Amino acid sequence: GNSVTQMEGPVTLSEEAFLTINCTYTATGYPSLFWYVQYPGEGLQLLLKATKADDKGSNKGFEATYRKETTSFHLEKGSVQVSDSAVYFCALLVNQGGKLIFGQGTELSVKP
Amino acid sequence: DTGVSQDPRHKITKRGQNVTFRCDPISEHNRLYWYRQTLGQGPEFLTYFQNEAQLEKSRLLSDRFSAERPKGSFSTLEIQRTEQGDSAMYLCASSLGSTSGRAKNIQYFGAGTRLSVL
Repeated sequence: GNSVTQMEGPVTLSEEAFLTINCTYTATGYPSLFWYVQYPGEGLQLLLKATKADDKGSNKGFEATYRKETTSFHLEKGSVQVSDSAVYFCALLVNQGGKLIFGQGTELSVKP
Repeated sequence: DTGVSQDPRHKITKRGQNVTFRCDPISEHNRLYWYRQTLGQGPEFLTYFQNEAQLEKSRLLSDRFSAERPKGSFSTLEIQRTEQGDSAMYLCASSLGSTSGRAKNIQYFGAGTRLSVL
């Protein structure tokens, strides 16, 4: 079946540190891949996306590359800020317009 | 663009009571989704609509759950005879669905309704 696996949290980093949150997936067909972010007390916000192999999604200094050969979509940021503290969700969409399948989320805490 | 709106934000109820949640999608979006999120987990799909037609329902959606989108605009999710296991965040999302354009299938989420069943 279709599934998403994320690295477990919480991840605690100091400000300006490099961030990697691993995400791997299992899917039939050719999924689109997404990273959503959830700040405390808020709903999910789309952070970035990639719709085909080798696409790189980027936004607000975050990047992720769709790697079909390793079925991965790891999230990276070169220098995190305290304001990046949130829960990050990797998700895939197999059927266009259908349901998103989410990973379990990775909590990031950035200390000053 | 006013975003996806959900009401209420919080609901506390006693076991056995019925509850109803409302979702107002982004106005031009024809697809509307419901998800459930429990603490420490990612959202799990419940059901989705294209216009007023309910196109898919998860096995998570027991017969105590019913969702409607009567005029293809707002949607309601009703839970009958609530159980403590129903306690969760219920999220609504909408998208401008298109089978020909992957970029249009981006789902935008509301802030959710947090249900606590005592």
